[in-house]
Amino acid sequence: DAGVIQSPRHEVTEMGQEVTLRCKPISGHDYLFWYRQTMMRGLELLIYFNNNVPIDDSGMPEDRFSAKMPNASFSTLKIQPSEPRDSAVYFCASSGSGRDPNTGELFFGEGSRLTVL
Amino acid sequence: GQNIDQPTEMTATEGAIVQINCTYQTSGFNGLFWYQQHAGEAPTFLSYNVLDGLEEKGRFSSFLSRSKGYSYLLLKELQMKDSASYLCAATDSNYQLIWGAGTKLIIKP
Repeated sequence: DAGVIQSPRHEVTEMGQEVTLRCKPISGHDYLFWYRQTMMRGLELLIYFNNNVPIDDSGMPEDRFSAKMPNASFSTLKIQPSEPRDSAVYFCASSGSGRDPNTGELFFGEGSRLTVL
Repeated sequence: GQNIDQPTEMTATEGAIVQINCTYQTSGFNGLFWYQQHAGEAPTFLSYNVLDGLEEKGRFSSFLSRSKGYSYLLLKELQMKDSASYLCAATDSNYQLIWGAGTKLIIKP
């Protein structure tokens, strides 16, 4: 399997612009997670899906952030409008842990490094 | 509140042994993970403990004491490629992962 695939790997944009990050999870995995990592705050869970349904979005910072999973093989994380404080590495991860979301190994994508100027 | 504590940084010598400690406070507990993250890369899974005791996997071992809210990752025969951050994460009663800030391990020749 190709693993979790994210795009773009790097994105530099200006404040106020819309940013869309994309993720293809490992085939057969029924959980998909979006994380954000910064030096100051470490790894933070933004949202996770189970069988394409959003289960917990309490980590989404504010209304500027939205995430969708239209099918089992694709998810997007959108920031509109973007701000400099959104600069971070955004990771997508998937797992196939059956009933419980965090009792199995998480497989992370290589991340999308976002810089908002 | 829920909290994971681990040292910010540790230094060790190539060929030696190092132990990275992690203490956790969570509402309920459903297991503890260790992940390795090289600079500029994604975290990769190392181990998962849900029962007390030591789990050995090659040069790496992970220990858990549920009663003490304590875990450690033991790395033997250190190699330069082991220089990385090591993330401890505990799963609470709602199966939410609580992540530590990570321990940056520096290996010196």
